Amino acid sequence: DTEVTQTPKHLVMGMTNKKSLKCEQHMGHRAMYWYKQKAKKPPELMFVYSYEKLSINESVPSRFSPECPNSSLLNLHLHALQPEDSALYLCASSSGVGTAKDTQYFGPGTRLTVL
Amino acid sequence: AQKITQTQPGMFVQEKEAVTLDCTYDTSDPSYGLFWYKQPSSGEMIFLIYQGSYDQQNATEGRYSLNFQKARKSANLVISASQLGDSAMYFCASSGSARQLTFGSGTQLTVLP
Repeated sequence: DTEVTQTPKHLVMGMTNKKSLKCEQHMGHRAMYWYKQKAKKPPELMFVYSYEKLSINESVPSRFSPECPNSSLLNLHLHALQPEDSALYLCASSSGVGTAKDTQYFGPGTRLTVL
Repeated sequence: AQKITQTQPGMFVQEKEAVTLDCTYDTSDPSYGLFWYKQPSSGEMIFLIYQGSYDQQNATEGRYSLNFQKARKSANLVISASQLGDSAMYFCASSGSARQLTFGSGTQLTVLP
């Protein structure tokens, strides 16, 4: 069983909706990540939180808004999305030691469809 | 900057046989890590194996082993005794001084009964 959980598993939303993706890790990790993955492509990094502070924002449009309420939780708030934002959204966590050895563990993902 | 190259978009292997998935990397970091992840059609990225740039021995985890050739900058994944459940997309990835993973384009492995 994965120790990184994500809800919901599937989400369908209209372009005017506001929704949130949730991620929770039970590994005691201090770094958490959001990735976007299109079909047959590798994941693309969106955001990194380290010790609950946003440390990396890969020029993601403002219609995606991350939030890290505590070291175990990571949210991604969605507003006014476009159909091209339809993708698999993956959350990951790592110990946060900041070395090359820091392994990222992924959740099962949320499949998002924007109509 | 780091770059990962996976030259096999798709691979087929007979059940119970071994298969090698290729990965070459390019990095300017003196210390780096190499990772392999498995992604079944369900979507979850499953961590398989890690190799550090200073590790003397090749990493092994059960049926997975990493054939690390530093001079050639290659980090091939070997899966022994393939099973039907091994059918998935496999990604090679690297990390350096930054916390970010750089992924290759992936190899779709199909295990034939």
